[in-house]
Amino acid sequence: NAGVMQNPRHLVRRRGQEARLRCSPMKGHSHVYWYRQLPEEGLKFMVYLQKENIIDESGMPKERFSAEFPKEGPSILRIQQVVRGDSAAYFCASSRDHSGNTIYFGEGSWLTVV
Amino acid sequence: DAKTTQPTSMDCAEGRAANLPCNHSTISGNEYVYWYRQIHSQGPQYIIHGLKNNETNEMASLIITEDRKSSTLILPHATLRDTAVYYCIVREETSGSRLTFGEGTQLTVNP
Repeated sequence: NAGVMQNPRHLVRRRGQEARLRCSPMKGHSHVYWYRQLPEEGLKFMVYLQKENIIDESGMPKERFSAEFPKEGPSILRIQQVVRGDSAAYFCASSRDHSGNTIYFGEGSWLTVV
Repeated sequence: DAKTTQPTSMDCAEGRAANLPCNHSTISGNEYVYWYRQIHSQGPQYIIHGLKNNETNEMASLIITEDRKSSTLILPHATLRDTAVYYCIVREETSGSRLTFGEGTQLTVNP
């Protein structure tokens, strides 16, 4: 039973480029969460999505960041016009659609902006 | 979600039990206690969770006090690979309820 799959694991972008991070939830999971961990800092919630719906984006920066979870395919976290401060580990997590649903995390995508 | 308080760091000798405490004095009746850990440069790993009864799985045991205001995660025979940051999180047991991570406890297992 494959876990939460994230790719790419490592991504290098120049300032001003776009970064796209992909997340395939565990089989049978319809809820996806994105977290960010800046260097030497804690895990911060960004956004929670269900299929085709953004449920809670209270942790998303107001500009340049967007997320989607289409009916088919992985969830995408998109960062436009990246800046050095976007360098971080981005973790995706997933859970089933019912109460008592444990959240499982992927291994993360490390974004470095040069 | 209720706030949790954990020691910043702890040490444990390899092969001994590691007992990690957590205070959650403002926990409400529909909130569970979850434990995750994060080994350096890896994603958070689910360990165990519970509501009011003690729980045990292949990784650890969770002891929750009767008043539910504190809990202890027990790793019965710590190994060097258990060195990680351990997070105690209180979370509502509703569909889609997210996890809010605090600072956690840095557990270092020494040979």
